[in-house]
Amino acid sequence: DAGVIQSPRHEVTEMGQEVTLRCKPISGHNSLFWYRQTMMRGLELLIYFNNNVPIDDSGMPEDRFSAKMPNASFSTLKIQPSEPRDSAVYFCASTEGTSNQPQHFGDGTRLSIL
Amino acid sequence: GIQVEQSPPDLILQEGANSTLRCNFSDSVNNLQWFHQNPWGQLINLFYIPSGTKQNGRLSATTVATERYSLLYISSSQTTDSGVYFCAGGMEYGNKLVFGAGTILRVKS
Repeated sequence: DAGVIQSPRHEVTEMGQEVTLRCKPISGHNSLFWYRQTMMRGLELLIYFNNNVPIDDSGMPEDRFSAKMPNASFSTLKIQPSEPRDSAVYFCASTEGTSNQPQHFGDGTRLSIL
Repeated sequence: GIQVEQSPPDLILQEGANSTLRCNFSDSVNNLQWFHQNPWGQLINLFYIPSGTKQNGRLSATTVATERYSLLYISSSQTTDSGVYFCAGGMEYGNKLVFGAGTILRVKS
């Protein structure tokens, strides 16, 4: 079975540019999570969706960040405009069901903003 | 919110040695996972273990929910066990997890 698929794997861009990260959850999973990992802050949850609906976006750092889940098989995390401090590894994860289920992670997108 | 504390923060082992990693929670959790982040950055599920004991090969985990801690045991360590081990827990509807800071493990040959 295919796991969580993220694209791109690596992204290098200049500050001020728009960045779009993509995630395809495991088929049949109805919860999706976006995380950011940095040396300073570790792994932190940005936002999560249940049945395509955003449930908690309290971890989104500021208005420059937005996330959408137009259908059960696709989600995007967008940063506009990007800044060097946004450089991090961004992970997407999904779970089956809405409670007490293990999360499965994608391989992440390593983002560098110059 | 829940606080997750992991110990030790880092550990160096000789190949073949055993080790125990610990995770403490500030509050009760009903969702608990252990992950291994390998040198390529991938987060690999090790255990989903909100309570009880599980074993998978050389790894096993025990969670004592009433005392709010979990242990990960690595036996006969191998160099491929190197990386960062994270525990994460949650209590809320929706499987939301809070991650600990991780234990950095280095196994020397």
